[in-house]
Amino acid sequence: GENVEQHPSTLSVQEGDSAVIKCTYSDSASNYFPWYKQELGKRPQLIIDIRSNVGEKKDQRIAVTLNKTAKHFSLHITETQPEDSAVYFCAASLTGTASKLTFGTGTRLQVTL
Amino acid sequence: DAGVIQSPRHEVTEMGQEVTLRCKPISGHDYLFWYRQTMMRGLELLIYFNNNVPIDDSGMPEDRFSAKMPNASFSTLKIQPSEPRDSAVYFCASSPPGRLKNTEAFFGQGTRLTVV
Repeated sequence: GENVEQHPSTLSVQEGDSAVIKCTYSDSASNYFPWYKQELGKRPQLIIDIRSNVGEKKDQRIAVTLNKTAKHFSLHITETQPEDSAVYFCAASLTGTASKLTFGTGTRLQVTL
Repeated sequence: DAGVIQSPRHEVTEMGQEVTLRCKPISGHDYLFWYRQTMMRGLELLIYFNNNVPIDDSGMPEDRFSAKMPNASFSTLKIQPSEPRDSAVYFCASSPPGRLKNTEAFFGQGTRLTVV
């Protein structure tokens, strides 16, 4: 089955700096890659996603890049704010949908003042 | 819509007892997922249903775990007998029909299970 690795497990940045979280996946047939944000004690929520036919997608301060050849994708957050502090999960899907999502182990992002 | 509703929010039980977790998906969603979250293993998909039918239960750890979806608005995850290593947060999620729409899993608030 699919295996998703995520790094780093923790990340601390100063407010205003950029944060980058990287994931690799094992199955080259995976075609859908969402990112979920989970605030402390709350539910995971989708923040951005990308399909395998796209190399980059941006939504305001967040962007995701995908390198199919290398089988890795990354989340970029610019101009970080304290409310960006949360655990971020990458995921990969073979079905192109939310079915059969394989999640990474998460990155705890701390944005300090 | 109130979103995906799970109950109970917290459950503490003794080893060997039966535990039943409940989930009400968002109305109109025809995919339902059960996930388990632990520090060590992160978010793991246990089982998912489409139109009340179990599609993939390969993530269910053992025969002690079972899940049902008797109708479109209700699902249960049962652990019998429970063990301390089952302690985790269990999330239910649902997703709307249609390939173009079925790209977001809407999670419930989760049930924090502690088995002592």
